[in-house]
Amino acid sequence: DVKVTQSSRYLVKRTGEKVFLECVQDMDHENMFWYRQDPGLGLRLIYFSYDVKMKEKGDIPEGYSVSREKKERFSLILESASTNQTSMYLCASSLGQTGSHDAQYFGPGTRLTVL
Amino acid sequence: AQKITQTQPGMFVQEKEAVTLDCTYDTSDQSYGLFWYKQPSSGEMIFLIYQGSYDEQNATEGRYSLNFQKARKSANLVISASQLGDSAMYFCAMRETHLSNSGYALNFGKGTSLLVTP
Repeated sequence: DVKVTQSSRYLVKRTGEKVFLECVQDMDHENMFWYRQDPGLGLRLIYFSYDVKMKEKGDIPEGYSVSREKKERFSLILESASTNQTSMYLCASSLGQTGSHDAQYFGPGTRLTVL
Repeated sequence: AQKITQTQPGMFVQEKEAVTLDCTYDTSDQSYGLFWYKQPSSGEMIFLIYQGSYDEQNATEGRYSLNFQKARKSANLVISASQLGDSAMYFCAMRETHLSNSGYALNFGKGTSLLVTP
């Protein structure tokens, strides 16, 4: 079974703090993704990575950066947290096969509150 | 741009009954894929079922089946013999055209909340 873990289930930070959210997958997947989920807005893609050290912006990258130094680990960084970044953050990974269904498998999520 | 629409914000079903969750999509691509995910109150998104645009048969996975009507651009999830543990949010998603040399991103609908009652 695919296992995607996230460093924290719940996190409370103050405005202006630098925040690191970490995600690890154990299935040698090529692709990793960061989404945020907000009521009424569904899931929105922040960033994704298709290889080590490679990253691409998703739909809402502003205020975020990412790091992928190792294949299994994908970090989301909030350089200076703001209250509008209070949200549920979901990490996902996929095998990375074109021409197949290439389902994404998700971690348990991190509920971040910025005060 | 691709778009996923789930028109039912909330649904109720009695235990052991079947329920259909609606999903319509909009795309100009010929090759696409549709996914359904379940999100219980714990928060984790669980992959349920996949339907490719060129698949001739409707996908099935245990108690889950997909009623795929390509001409109508709909991909409804059918859950048979509902169980209390099926109570969750359900999301329909479409595979976007590839964003890089490897794999795809997903475009999600806003979800339907299903409550299974005894």
